[in-house]
Amino acid sequence: ETGVTQSPTHLIKTRGQQVTLRCSSQSGHNTVSWYQQALGQGPQFIFQYYREEENGRGNFPPRFSGLQFPNYSSELNVNALELDDSALYLCASSLEWGQKNTEAFFGQGTRLTVV
Amino acid sequence: DAKTTQPTSMDCAEGRAANLPCNHSTISGNEYVYWYRQIHSQGPQYIIHGLKNNETNEMASLIITEDRKSSTLILPHATLRDTAVYYCIVGRGSISNFGNEKLTFGTGTRLTIIP
Repeated sequence: ETGVTQSPTHLIKTRGQQVTLRCSSQSGHNTVSWYQQALGQGPQFIFQYYREEENGRGNFPPRFSGLQFPNYSSELNVNALELDDSALYLCASSLEWGQKNTEAFFGQGTRLTVV
Repeated sequence: DAKTTQPTSMDCAEGRAANLPCNHSTISGNEYVYWYRQIHSQGPQYIIHGLKNNETNEMASLIITEDRKSSTLILPHATLRDTAVYYCIVGRGSISNFGNEKLTFGTGTRLTIIP
């Protein structure tokens, strides 16, 4: 148990639809990062949120967007779903730079299937 | 970020030491070596990280060569629960402040512990 909770655990969507994935960070952690993991691949960094602002983004198109709320929970939104968006989406929570912190803690992910 | 090269898969007998190699020949002077693992159907889990000195914690030891171009993760007494994909990653950070480093995962080494 890492204290990071993601919902839903599994989801099936149709191509062209929109999806929202949710993440509750570990207590006290104010930074949330999202990763996409395609089958057989390592996780790929999508973006990071710190104090409700985007704090870095990987090589993903604008239809991938996010939010962070005052309680530090976060959402990942994907518009106009494509078949290649089928993947495990992972959320990781951590403390910001400048604080003595340990590792980032990952949730168990949301398995998204686009048909 | 520097890239890493790891063997695709390895086997190790239960109770023996598992030695997982990683090459990172283009690592920069201020980049750390991180190791994470991902057990099936779970999110990645931090194991250990280091800059140039060897490091040890309750999970593993990390041996970094003097030229820092390669490293070895050592699980001293492997158990069946250590069966996982192990990722070697290089990135910024510090010994105590690295939780929100934006991680660049490769495909890792699939370690199988044999009973």
